[in-house]
Amino acid sequence: AQTVTQSQPEMSVQEAETVTLSCTYDTSESDYYLFWYKQPPSRQMILVIRQEAYKQQNATENRFSVNFQKAAKSFSLKISDSQLGDAAMYFCAYRSALNSNSGYALNFGKGTSLLVTP
Amino acid sequence: EAGVTQFPSHSVIEKGQTVTLRCDPISGHDNLYWYRRVMGKEIKFLLHFVKESKQDESGMPNNRFLAERTGGTYSTLKVQPAELEDSGVYFCASSQTGGTEAFFGQGTRLTVV
Repeated sequence: AQTVTQSQPEMSVQEAETVTLSCTYDTSESDYYLFWYKQPPSRQMILVIRQEAYKQQNATENRFSVNFQKAAKSFSLKISDSQLGDAAMYFCAYRSALNSNSGYALNFGKGTSLLVTP
Repeated sequence: EAGVTQFPSHSVIEKGQTVTLRCDPISGHDNLYWYRRVMGKEIKFLLHFVKESKQDESGMPNNRFLAERTGGTYSTLKVQPAELEDSGVYFCASSQTGGTEAFFGQGTRLTVV
């Protein structure tokens, strides 16, 4: 089974600064997807960024970018120019690209709570 | 377009009672998933519907949990009888066939006292 590890339960960043959230995973598959989801307090979890394992280029979405190191099985999220609205719980997730009995179920890490200070 | 909606947002029940959670997926999404997050732990997969059929229910904790998706539209997750360890946040997600992105609801926070 694939496992996802987020080693930082909490992180703090000042507005306008940059923060990096860590994620590592364990898998024997060669093709898969990785995601970062964000859940603000009492709100829906939304997709921040997605990375296909077969793509070498790191995904970027505006102020959010990833550092995908396939050999090291590492998938960190960098948030640049942090804003107060970035405060949330961030979950790293893995999904197999194979159509298995579990379909396309996601495997999540425990989450990292990000605090943004003025 | 409406997103995934879940009802209720919060529920507090006594041990031994029954609770039913509901999820309305995005219209046209055949895939529907239930997940659960127990405090301080990972979000865990419970089960997966494709339309009205259970594709995978390997994550269901025990037979006190019953999920249905009548007509392949909304889904319910019933816990009967509820135990203290069932407390947590229950998430529902939906996706299109072949889609890589799952869309989540805001979750239902269940507290069993």
